[in-house]
Amino acid sequence: AIRITQSPSSLSASTGDRVTITCRASQGISSYLAWYQQKPGKAPKLLIYAASTLQSGVPSRFSGSGSGTDFTLTISCLQSEDFATYYCQQYYSYPRGLTFGGGTKVEIK
Amino acid sequence: QVQLVESGGGVVQPGRSLRLSCAASGFTFSSYGMHWVRQAPGKGLEWVAVIWYDGSNKYYADSVKGRFTISRDNSKNTLYLQMNSLRAEDTAVYYCARGTGIVGATGAFDIWGQGTMVTVSS
Repeated sequence: AIRITQSPSSLSASTGDRVTITCRASQGISSYLAWYQQKPGKAPKLLIYAASTLQSGVPSRFSGSGSGTDFTLTISCLQSEDFATYYCQQYYSYPRGLTFGGGTKVEIK
Repeated sequence: QVQLVESGGGVVQPGRSLRLSCAASGFTFSSYGMHWVRQAPGKGLEWVAVIWYDGSNKYYADSVKGRFTISRDNSKNTLYLQMNSLRAEDTAVYYCARGTGIVGATGAFDIWGQGTMVTVSS
């Protein structure tokens, strides 16, 4: 199975900060990577797919980059509503063995 | 509006069975692959199973293979997850999710239900 290592597991930041979260795949996955945001008690929300394509309705302060094994989610100017947990997910192995990173909790400094 | 609503969760003893349902509305259900994803309390997300738009193909995570069965009824716009031989480690919130349907991104999930909690405990 393809393993996804996400870092950091948590971070503290202030509104207006630029935040970067990374995911590393155990093997090359081309651009078959998605990013999700999850708030407490809620379902995840798709932010980005194909490593860098913004899902409809998602603010442009979110961006994704990378291909192969290394990927990045960037929030350019953190807003109060962005405090949440973020997950990456690979779907290179679709339809089998879809896997998620361990999550990054973005907390208020 | 586009919506998925899960039901059927609850408390069940180890070794028993439970069936989850997911009612879809606001989109052409029969055109999309559908998934189940779970999240143990305080933990991350784990993909469980996928079923093709027409039910012709099904795939499972190794952790549930042979115990869980995914199915769908397109006439009722409903997705199911039959869970047998339940174990304590199956305790989680179970989400149904829609595959995006976008070429090259069908393995990502663009619509999620609110989740239903399954607790396996004696």
